[in-house]
Amino acid sequence: GAGVSQSPSNKVTEKGKDVELRCDPISGHTALYWYRQSLGQGLEFLIYFQGNSAPDKSGLPSDRFSAERTGGSVSTLTIQRTQQEDSAVYLCASSFRGQGPEAFFGQGTRLTVV
Amino acid sequence: AQSVAQPEDQVNVAEGNPLTVKCTYSVSGNPYLFWYVQYPNRGLQFLLKYITGDNLVKGSYGFEAEFNKSQTSFHLKKPSALVSDSALYFCAVRDMNTGFQKLVFGTGTRLLVSP
Repeated sequence: GAGVSQSPSNKVTEKGKDVELRCDPISGHTALYWYRQSLGQGLEFLIYFQGNSAPDKSGLPSDRFSAERTGGSVSTLTIQRTQQEDSAVYLCASSFRGQGPEAFFGQGTRLTVV
Repeated sequence: AQSVAQPEDQVNVAEGNPLTVKCTYSVSGNPYLFWYVQYPNRGLQFLLKYITGDNLVKGSYGFEAEFNKSQTSFHLKKPSALVSDSALYFCAVRDMNTGFQKLVFGTGTRLLVSP
């Protein structure tokens, strides 16, 4: 596609339920990032995939959070047993391999845990 | 580990006046530096980047940024602000010397341009 696509755009879930957020990066982009943005706040790094290398998971806030990237393309961020503090906008970005290129962001998934 | 600081939560400027949004960085090696803008209810949009070469980088919507290695700064500037420039601005850095090129963002600066 022309840009990074995220689905769903909005998700309301009950506390304790599991959710899956999907990211389709730009075709050919080998790097993929997940960030979290709480209302009006900065971007909190969650996880970074680069090609076939082991992902950088250093930003995942707890073991309830996990992510995978299948076939070097689509990525899924899973949050188990959701809590109210998980409510935020989850942003995905992708970029070409290499050190210089900028990352392109999707529109995000707004997650609300009630 | 690399980091970015945006010391101002908000910058207020009158339309037509020059604007500056400040950013300082810390990396172990040489930095790649980026500015992004986020309009209300929109995703992040890339504005400009510094990789190497000229210290003054020009980007989208008339914005520019100056890389200053001695001051470890990468301030965003525009000669004449527009009301439509009002948005949330993020500075980001990537350390070119690390194996994983994680992109680290600052906390953001809200720019408010008054008519």
